[in-house]
Amino acid sequence: GQNIDQPTEMTATEGAIVQINCTYQTSGFNGLFWYQQHAGEAPTFLSYNVLDGLEEKGRFSSFLSRSKGYSYLLLKELQMKDSASYLCAVKGGLTGGGNKLTFGTGTQLKVEL
Amino acid sequence: NAGVTQTPKFRVLKTGQSMTLLCAQDMNHEYMYWYRQDPGMGLRLIHYSVGEGTTAKGEVPDGYNVSRLKKQNFLLGLESAAPSQTSVYFCASSSGGQGATEAFFGQGTRLTVV
Repeated sequence: GQNIDQPTEMTATEGAIVQINCTYQTSGFNGLFWYQQHAGEAPTFLSYNVLDGLEEKGRFSSFLSRSKGYSYLLLKELQMKDSASYLCAVKGGLTGGGNKLTFGTGTQLKVEL
Repeated sequence: NAGVTQTPKFRVLKTGQSMTLLCAQDMNHEYMYWYRQDPGMGLRLIHYSVGEGTTAKGEVPDGYNVSRLKKQNFLLGLESAAPSQTSVYFCASSSGGQGATEAFFGQGTRLTVV
């Protein structure tokens, strides 16, 4: 099966940098995704990692270490609109062609002035 | 440019009633997923499909059935609704192959079982 852990809540200051960690255990790994979800809305895609290393996309970066089962999402120059839930998701599994997409419980980020 | 469309957006059911939630995607995606989201529980996978005519169980399949008779549609059925099935349901789809095949989500169905 797949098991994904991330902190429940984090608070940061506008303009600062925040790192949201995600650890996972999976049988078969085909990529790790980060999604953003504002209250009452659907999740939207932020980033994808399948190889070890850092992927940068504007103010957002995501890192993956497959050997450690670890990823983080880095948000720079925080803005109030970044207050949202951040979801770590792993694609893998031994059935369904390794396309089972499992989500962590999400990290609720609050950005304060 | 519809993407993923869920029908209905809101529904109130009485315990024991049945209903079907429809998910339709117009991106020719191979994979489709049904999730439920409850406070503090994140997105939990109910069932998924890796192609037309295929279905597979996720983490919380009990009380639900699914069908994928057409590639663009993925139906989620509740045969006998229970209050524990009160939740927000999200459908998602993604393409096959390698690379950043991210899932696109519908806007959700808010279901209340009384």
